[in-house]
Amino acid sequence: EVQLVQSGGDLVQPGGSLRLSCAASGFTFSAYWMHWVRQVPGKGLVWVSYISTDGGGSRYADSVKGRFTISRDNVKNILYLQMNSVRAEDAGLYFCARDAPDDGTIFDCWGQGALVTVSS
Amino acid sequence: DIVMTQSPDSLAVSLGERATINCKSSQNILSSSKNKNYLNWYQHKPGQPLKLLIYGASTRQSGVPDRFSGSGSGTDFTLTISSLQAEDVAVYYCHQDYITPITFGGGTKVEIK
Repeated sequence: EVQLVQSGGDLVQPGGSLRLSCAASGFTFSAYWMHWVRQVPGKGLVWVSYISTDGGGSRYADSVKGRFTISRDNVKNILYLQMNSVRAEDAGLYFCARDAPDDGTIFDCWGQGALVTVSS
Repeated sequence: DIVMTQSPDSLAVSLGERATINCKSSQNILSSSKNKNYLNWYQHKPGQPLKLLIYGASTRQSGVPDRFSGSGSGTDFTLTISSLQAEDVAVYYCHQDYITPITFGGGTKVEIK
């Protein structure tokens, strides 16, 4: 079964750090680009970052550039999002998502979400 | 950035009746060279992963019941559930992947009347 299982969501203080993980199974993880998407109450879904198959390419939303780092371990089949200098506006439910190997960016498999709460 | 506007924010439909969700993009998301609308629909049930329903505006993902259909082109799109079932209660999102950054609609909550 194709599956993405997330972990790492937690309460973090403003200015603090947190690492989210997304463990893949049931497919060849190294063959897929992967993304992080955040769900914000009242604002829907917001794309955060993507990483290429070998980790050599990545891109970030302007709001997290320089603070968040996406990475992957193609041996352990895990996607990561390192969140540094966290701000109140970074709070939300974070999803990892698999990018289907078709033209465009189509998310054909999602994780269950990891809740990030930002509060002092 | 392309703004995706969904309507309504929520709707309540009787079992077996039709549910219609609209999505409007602030810019054209049809590639004339590829004859493809870069518009996708997802279903999200609480506590569960999101599920891809429709891609390319009208192509059903494998395994999606045929009561779900997508239509539209250019800037205006529609997701239709032809006969609402209890298991269709969820939030539905449209998503454009024509221009980066990819963007999503605000979601439409579908409930049973």
